[in-house]
Amino acid sequence: EDQVTQSPEALRLQEGESSSLNCSYTVSGLRGLFWYRQDPGKGPEFLFTLYSAGEEKEKERLKATLTKKESFLHITAPKPEDSATYLCAVQYKTSGSRLTFGEGTQLTVNP
Amino acid sequence: GAVVSQHPSWVICKSGTSVKIECRSLDFQATTMFWYRQFPKQSLMLMATSNEGSKATYEQGVEKDKFLINHASLTLSTLTVTSAHPEDSSFYICSASPGPWTQYFGPGTRLLVL
Repeated sequence: EDQVTQSPEALRLQEGESSSLNCSYTVSGLRGLFWYRQDPGKGPEFLFTLYSAGEEKEKERLKATLTKKESFLHITAPKPEDSATYLCAVQYKTSGSRLTFGEGTQLTVNP
Repeated sequence: GAVVSQHPSWVICKSGTSVKIECRSLDFQATTMFWYRQFPKQSLMLMATSNEGSKATYEQGVEKDKFLINHASLTLSTLTVTSAHPEDSSFYICSASPGPWTQYFGPGTRLLVL
């Protein structure tokens, strides 16, 4: 069964305190790994897609990396407006366009 | 680009009534649209996948006669919750895919059934 596991479930940081979120997935048949940001009461906002091990993508204070069994979302010098739930989703070659989501990491950045 | 809208953003209805939720891709054509349900503090749960002009594919455990999905055009899909009951109260989110890869999500519709 396809599994996507995110850790930690919740993370509290002080403004400027860098950290990383983890997403691990079932190893075989990955087509792509997606990171989304979700604010309360809103739909997920697309951040990144990673397709192969070693790939990295950056957007402002966020950098996503991918290995053969996990992905990291690095947050550098976070600000309070980065507070949100970050969702990881995996697309497998055998499941068409279907995404399998992790449970998310709820990030709180205190000023 | 890649904007997806949903209407309504929230709806309150009486038990036993039906509710229709629209999902539109505003600036691209979506060959595939997806419907998700999200409970508080939980992740997204895929309900069904719909392709334009064909019947939707429902996930295991999702009642297709209760959650009717129509994907009439490349920019519009609708979800109708028939004979809604309080346990159907949830946050419903659609996504649209212009191709086989990235899904872009709508802002969600909060449904409260009294």
